Amino acid sequence: GAGVSQSPRYKVAKRGQDVALRCDPISGHVSLFWYQQALGQGPEFLTYFQNEAQLDKSGLPSDRFFAERPEGSVSTLKIQRTQQEDSAVYLCASSYQHGISPLHFGNGTRLTVT
Amino acid sequence: DAKTTQPNSMESNEEEPVHLPCNHSTISGTDYIHWYRQLPSQGPEYVIHGLTSNVNNRMASLAIAEDRKSSTLILHRATLRDAAVYYCIQSSGGYQKVTFGTGTKLQVIP
Repeated sequence: GAGVSQSPRYKVAKRGQDVALRCDPISGHVSLFWYQQALGQGPEFLTYFQNEAQLDKSGLPSDRFFAERPEGSVSTLKIQRTQQEDSAVYLCASSYQHGISPLHFGNGTRLTVT
Repeated sequence: DAKTTQPNSMESNEEEPVHLPCNHSTISGTDYIHWYRQLPSQGPEYVIHGLTSNVNNRMASLAIAEDRKSSTLILHRATLRDAAVYYCIQSSGGYQKVTFGTGTKLQVIP
């Protein structure tokens, strides 16, 4: 079956532009996570959804970052007024349920802010 | 956030076993130990997880110390496709939040 799909694969934005990154999780997966990965670093947690509820947004670096999952399936990570330090790979992962179900990751969106 | 300690890099010869160590000295009774790996330009891939007992699956084995303060991921026969960054993670919280560190970069030598 299809895995986690993220789009676009690459995004170049001018500083100050808004961007929206999409994640299509595996069908039926309850939990959805967003991570940010800088070059040469491990992924950093951003936020967690259980169905449509955003239960943890402690990793969002500023109020310019906003995530939603309105129908408990597709999720969008929005970054307003992008800055150069936002350049990174943004990874989405889903799992069957909360708890210890393995995370299934997409291949990420590489965002470059110029 | 829960922290683990891993060597930055390791080397292995192809077709030989690999033992990747991890320290998680702050682990509590309900925290699970997970291993993921990440190949270049891909998202992380689940390898294995465990709580107290040793675990085996088709990819690897996980040996957990009796005091649970350390664990070892065992790849029984390394192949070139196993070259990746391996992350050892101590999940925590009600939904077992997965927090990555910097991982161990495994190089497999033909």
